[in-house]
Amino acid sequence: EDQVTQSPEALRLQEGESSSLNCSYTVSGLRGLFWYRQDPGKGPEFLFTLYSAGEEKEKERLKATLTKKESFLHITAPKPEDSATYLCAVQGFRSGSARQLTFGSGTQLTVLP
Amino acid sequence: EADIYQTPRYLVIGTGKKITLECSQTMGHDKMYWYQQDPGMELHLIHYSYGVNSTEKGDLSSESTVSRIRTEHFPLTLESARPSHTSQYLCASSPGRGVIGTQYFGPGTRLLVL
Repeated sequence: EDQVTQSPEALRLQEGESSSLNCSYTVSGLRGLFWYRQDPGKGPEFLFTLYSAGEEKEKERLKATLTKKESFLHITAPKPEDSATYLCAVQGFRSGSARQLTFGSGTQLTVLP
Repeated sequence: EADIYQTPRYLVIGTGKKITLECSQTMGHDKMYWYQQDPGMELHLIHYSYGVNSTEKGDLSSESTVSRIRTEHFPLTLESARPSHTSQYLCASSPGRGVIGTQYFGPGTRLLVL
């Protein structure tokens, strides 16, 4: 069974204070690892897809990295508008999981001005 | 920019009523999904569809049913709503065949059953 664990559950940062969010996963063959941002009362917004260990992707102040066991979402010099819940999800090669994403419970990020 | 729509956005309804949550996408995606999400919790897949006339249940048991008569439309129906159905329901779609790939989400429907 695929599993995703995100840490910390909540993170409060001062504006400009860089940090990282962690996503640890267990999957029988990784097809892809996905990062989403979710604002309160809204659906998740796609950020990145990572397919293999060593891969990195960047978007504005966010950079996602991937190893064989975990992914990090690095936030550089965050701004208050980066406040949101960040979700990690995996898709595996196992027949059931090939049709589905397994989501973590997210990290709730608050950036204080 | 994903074009996927859900209505209503909010719904308060009494126990025993029949409800249908609408989901439409204009991207021509073959695959569509329904998730249930409680506050602070993971998204759980309750239904998915590979295309017209193709629907399957997800890992989370649900008393709801779905249909896929048209590519762009994937409604979810609860025949008799109960307070335990109170949750946020998220619809998503993804392009391509084979590998699922990126899923694009609608804004969600927040359901409260009294």
